[in-house]
Amino acid sequence: EAGVAQSPRYKIIEKRQSVAFWCNPISGHATLYWYQQILGQGPKLLIQFQNNGVVDDSQLPKDRFSAERLKGVDSTLKIQPAKLEDSAVYLCASSAESTGYTFGSGTRLTVV
Amino acid sequence: QKEVEQNSGPLSVPEGAIASLNCTYSDRGSQSFFWYRQYSGKSPELIMSIYSNGDKEDGRFTAQLNKASQYVSLLIRDSQPSDSATYLCAVLSGGSYIPTFGRGTSLIVHP
Repeated sequence: EAGVAQSPRYKIIEKRQSVAFWCNPISGHATLYWYQQILGQGPKLLIQFQNNGVVDDSQLPKDRFSAERLKGVDSTLKIQPAKLEDSAVYLCASSAESTGYTFGSGTRLTVV
Repeated sequence: QKEVEQNSGPLSVPEGAIASLNCTYSDRGSQSFFWYRQYSGKSPELIMSIYSNGDKEDGRFTAQLNKASQYVSLLIRDSQPSDSATYLCAVLSGGSYIPTFGRGTSLIVHP
């Protein structure tokens, strides 16, 4: 079974620039999540999709972050404009009903 | 606010010893509990899940759950240097698909 695919693996941008991350979940996993993990902290949920609908985006900073999952499969997360405090690893995870998460390898973002 | 508390460590144990990692949670309605291992620079990897009170063993790993005390732990027997990682506790409330993660405990197993 192929895992959760994410790209890019690393990204360095200047503050106020924009950036986008891509995630392709495990085939058949209806639920997709984007997490932000700041160094030394546990993952924090940004947004949860069920198929192509948003289930929970209460912790997504909507003034600068956006996410979509148009066809209910892969998803993109965008930050515009980026701030220094957005430096983190952005993890995508997917799950099927009653299973645990499978995380992707993450995208390490550095904002300078 | 659902909270999951872990001591950030680091917890240092000698090779061959038992490592004991602890986690407490605030939501009494929590139903599912997970332990993830995260190597430096890598994504979290699920190693144990537990749903009912008591112990669950899988190889060198034992998860222990006490819902009355709102406490879940992970024991690693015969610790190896390759077990050195951060261990994240995640708690899922009933009816939710969104676990709350603790900040993780750093484990160092020294030869």
